[in-house]
Amino acid sequence: AQSVTQPDIHITVSEGASLELRCNYSYGATPYLFWYVQSPGQGLQLLLKYFSGDTLVQGIKGFEAEFKRSQSSFNLRKPSVHWSDAAEYFCAVGAAGYSTLTFGKGTMLLVSP
Amino acid sequence: GAVVSQHPSRVICKSGTSVKIECRSLDFQATTMFWYRQFPKQSLMLMATSNEGSKATYEQGVEKDKFLINHASLTLSTLTVTSAHPEDSSFYICSASSVGQEMSQYFGPGTRLLVL
Repeated sequence: AQSVTQPDIHITVSEGASLELRCNYSYGATPYLFWYVQSPGQGLQLLLKYFSGDTLVQGIKGFEAEFKRSQSSFNLRKPSVHWSDAAEYFCAVGAAGYSTLTFGKGTMLLVSP
Repeated sequence: GAVVSQHPSRVICKSGTSVKIECRSLDFQATTMFWYRQFPKQSLMLMATSNEGSKATYEQGVEKDKFLINHASLTLSTLTVTSAHPEDSSFYICSASSVGQEMSQYFGPGTRLLVL
């Protein structure tokens, strides 16, 4: 069975600073990887996904993530954080041929002025 | 494109009553819909997966007689919480995917249920 670990429960970043949110997964084969963002009281919005090919994927809102098989990681990055990026971020893993996703526990991003 | 709506956005009900939550795909045909439950400050827990016209597949530990799921059309799935109790209070989120894009789930905005 697959699993996802987001080691940071919350992170505070100054506005304009760079951001990296960590995600480690456990899965025997090549995973399908996702990052979602959730604003308070809202559903989830897909930021980006990795299925295959280039290991550096670009997403919406200036986010990118890099798949590193050797480290079983799929960390999310943004070069310059905006106050509107404050939200909860979830990493998720899926398996080829199966439509279900397994989510990490999420990382709450706080943006300080 | 790929918009999923939920109704109601929030509901308060008395203990013992039943509550129905609707999930609609507005601009695509959702062959598969998923229902999640999210407790405060926690991740999403998959409750069940439903395919249009078929019975839902429930995750281990989810009572199928308590959480009735119907996926009668390619654009609508409903979750009915029967005989709701305070411990059922939670944030319920649905998602949907279409044929050929099963790995891309589009999420609804969620429904906040409070059982008094």
